[in-house]
Amino acid sequence: EPEVTQTPSHQVTQMGQEVILRCVPISNHLYFYWYRQILGQKVEFLVSFYNNEISEKSEIFDDQFSVERPDGSNFTLKIRSTKLEDSAMYFCASSERGRYTDTQYFGPGTRLTVL
Amino acid sequence: GESVGLHLPTLSVQEGDNSIINCAYSNSASDYFIWYKQESGKGPQFIIDIRSNMDKRQGQRVTVLLNKTVKHLSLQIAATQPGDSAVYFCAENSDYGQNFVFGPGTRLSVLP
Repeated sequence: EPEVTQTPSHQVTQMGQEVILRCVPISNHLYFYWYRQILGQKVEFLVSFYNNEISEKSEIFDDQFSVERPDGSNFTLKIRSTKLEDSAMYFCASSERGRYTDTQYFGPGTRLTVL
Repeated sequence: GESVGLHLPTLSVQEGDNSIINCAYSNSASDYFIWYKQESGKGPQFIIDIRSNMDKRQGQRVTVLLNKTVKHLSLQIAATQPGDSAVYFCAENSDYGQNFVFGPGTRLSVLP
């Protein structure tokens, strides 16, 4: 069964450094998403992406964040200058279409630790 | 990849019993709801959804009930199995977009 994959599984970085989290969505999916989950807290929507553009973003997704689909398979989340409070699990998801009722398939997550 | 902290409510059930997991949602305008299952080391997995024009929807071994009057959602799992052990959380949507609001989760522990 096709699945969303994410790399790395764990990323440790120093505060102020840039990080890039990578995701390979399911191949025939057109909509891609990033979520985060700070330890002990709820899953939070960050951004959705379609046709090489951000289609929706939350208040969390400020100028420090960016997303990109650099080639036909990868979908990345970049944090330009990490802060301690960016430490969290980051989940990528994809869906075949972008209706809010379309099932999103989540990857296993990348644990980001900012020191 | 843990998705939960140390203070999640926990529901412990005997294998074979039915489980009921509850979720209180916040927005009376929400019209679409999803239940997710999250096993240790994995991302959330869609279980079942329901729209606000329904009050009950059934899947395989799972049933979701929606009470809009009190803004309450429940997930019933029939004949709970060890593989059902996971964290379960609900998500609500009110604007037909992608910005779902997620609940805090309940840890289901199935006892042999």
